[in-house]
Amino acid sequence: AQSVSQHNHHVILSEAASLELGCNYSYGGTVNLFWYVQYPGQHLQLLLKYFSGDPLVKGIKGFEAEFIKSKFSFNLRKPSVQWSDTAEYFCAVIAGGYNKLIFGAGTRLAVHP
Amino acid sequence: EAGVAQSPRYKIIEKRQSVAFWCNPISGHATLYWYQQILGQGPKLLIQFQNNGVVDDSQLPKDRFSAERLKGVDSTLKIQPAKLEDSAVYLCASSRDRATDTQYFGPGTRLTVL
Repeated sequence: AQSVSQHNHHVILSEAASLELGCNYSYGGTVNLFWYVQYPGQHLQLLLKYFSGDPLVKGIKGFEAEFIKSKFSFNLRKPSVQWSDTAEYFCAVIAGGYNKLIFGAGTRLAVHP
Repeated sequence: EAGVAQSPRYKIIEKRQSVAFWCNPISGHATLYWYQQILGQGPKLLIQFQNNGVVDDSQLPKDRFSAERLKGVDSTLKIQPAKLEDSAVYLCASSRDRATDTQYFGPGTRLTVL
């Protein structure tokens, strides 16, 4: 069965630090990859997605993610985090032909001023 | 445009009682999803509708959970009877057509089963 692993459950950073959140998926075929974010008190919302083409995807608020097929990974990055990036981040995948979004367990990010 | 609406926002019941959740998707969205999010885990798809037909309900515990989508718009999810392990946030989402289209999530209903 398809699965998504997010290795860091909790991350604490100071403002201006760089961020990288790991995401690995288990499926050998075509995948569509997503990062969703849930800010405190808000709905889950799409941050960025990858379907095909350039493996480096840019999303909202300065976030980017890189698809590395050989590593089955889709890590999320931001060069300099802000206090307002405090949120929970979910990696998700739709494996080819399955038409179902599979989420990882999420990573809680706390950014201290 | 208005977002996905859900009610109630919070519900506390005792085990073996029944409960129902309501969802109103974004206008014009053909596909509606119900997810269960247990504390510390990511959302898990329970059921997916396209218009008023079921596309996927493979992870819906059909002995106690049921869902319907009236006239391809609003949807209700029911649990009867509830178990302690049903305590979770129930999220509704909608998308224009396919699962690969951006899914827009509602605020969720937090269910506590005592």
